[in-house]
Amino acid sequence: DTEVTQTPKHLVMGMTNKKSLKCEQHMGHRAMYWYKQKAKKPPELMFVYSYEKLSINESVPSRFSPECPNSSLLNLHLHALQPEDSALYLCASSQEGAGANVLTFGAGSRLTVL
Amino acid sequence: GQSLEQPSEVTAVEGAIVQINCTYQTSGFYGLSWYQQHDGGAPTFLSYNGLDGLEETGRFSSFLSRSDSYGYLLLQELQMKDSASYFCAVRDTGGFKTIFGAGTRLFVKA
Repeated sequence: DTEVTQTPKHLVMGMTNKKSLKCEQHMGHRAMYWYKQKAKKPPELMFVYSYEKLSINESVPSRFSPECPNSSLLNLHLHALQPEDSALYLCASSQEGAGANVLTFGAGSRLTVL
Repeated sequence: GQSLEQPSEVTAVEGAIVQINCTYQTSGFYGLSWYQQHDGGAPTFLSYNGLDGLEETGRFSSFLSRSDSYGYLLLQELQMKDSASYFCAVRDTGGFKTIFGAGTRLFVKA
């Protein structure tokens, strides 16, 4: 299995809602990432988990809360989001060491905040 | 800080060769990668250079010069399906921080 699977593909939520984005990989990768991408912009790193521990938090607002329940799963919990948080949220995974130069991305979850 | 610069747009005709350049400035350097992203799709890994020189993968090649903080992606025998955005990316530490350039939009014309 060489895929990263993200659910849901599309999500519409109000500013008071709580929702979660889910990501799963079965490639044995020990690093998992959340990136945010706005239209016509590059992916922006949000969080990195390495061996199920939070390794990088790029000063992301606390209304985004990541979770890594096990080595195959990565969640992003969303609460009290703002309309400017509407974007494509990309999950990725990689091996460690030099393998971290090759990111495998999921298809993304397109989030709209009303 | 870290920054990557690449052209915003390139246009070429089918069958031609196109080169997309990338210059970078990072506090550390652990490799230059290239990703392709079609509209509505996810980024897909194309190529990686950790050392100076040319890497070839089918119609795509990538080059790196660490002394010049410069690399390029070369696409040969262009096809319409190559119309997409191309991002260079650097891993600037020994960890997991990969930063993307702003992207180059490639338009392939018939």
